Amino acid sequence: DVKVTQSSRYLVKRTGEKVFLECVQDMDHENMFWYRQDPGLGLRLIYFSYDVKMKEKGDIPEGYSVSREKKERFSLILESASTNQTSMYLCASRSPEAASTDTQYFGPGTRLTVL
Amino acid sequence: GQSLEQPSEVTAVEGAIVQINCTYQTSGFYGLSWYQQHDGGAPTFLSYNALDGLEETGRFSSFLSRSDSYGYLLLQELQMKDSASYFCAVRSYSGGYQKVTFGTGTKLQVIP
Repeated sequence: DVKVTQSSRYLVKRTGEKVFLECVQDMDHENMFWYRQDPGLGLRLIYFSYDVKMKEKGDIPEGYSVSREKKERFSLILESASTNQTSMYLCASRSPEAASTDTQYFGPGTRLTVL
Repeated sequence: GQSLEQPSEVTAVEGAIVQINCTYQTSGFYGLSWYQQHDGGAPTFLSYNALDGLEETGRFSSFLSRSDSYGYLLLQELQMKDSASYFCAVRSYSGGYQKVTFGTGTKLQVIP
């Protein structure tokens, strides 16, 4: 079974702090994604990476950056956390073979609260 | 840009059939996916349609009409465990990259 893990289930940070959210997948997938999920807004893509060292902006990249130094790990960085970044953050991975059906495997999510 | 519309909530009786609709507006359309998410859980992939017609996977079926920019997820023989949120997602090509846009989700409540 594909396993996608995220470093924390719950996180509380203060405004202005630098926040790192880590995602690790164990299936050697090239593609990885970061979403945020807010009530009434569904899942919105922040950034994605098709392979190591590659990154592309999604629909809402402002205030975020990412790092993909190793295939299994995709990090989301909030350079200076703000209260409007309080949300559920979901990481997903996908193999290129599954791209034709867009089968993404999601992690359990990190609920981030910025005070 | 892209937009998807699906009902926010649906209630259905255990054992019955329920249909969750999804309409979309997008350029470079490639396919429509469906994901299920239980409260507090991660989304899990259910189905994908790239061509018109019905795809069946056990109690779940998904339909796509490209000409109508419309699809639906059909759940048969509803069980209490089917209570969850269901998201449609459009796969499209934009700016040379494949892009996936999720709908806002339909919360399905199955009642006895």
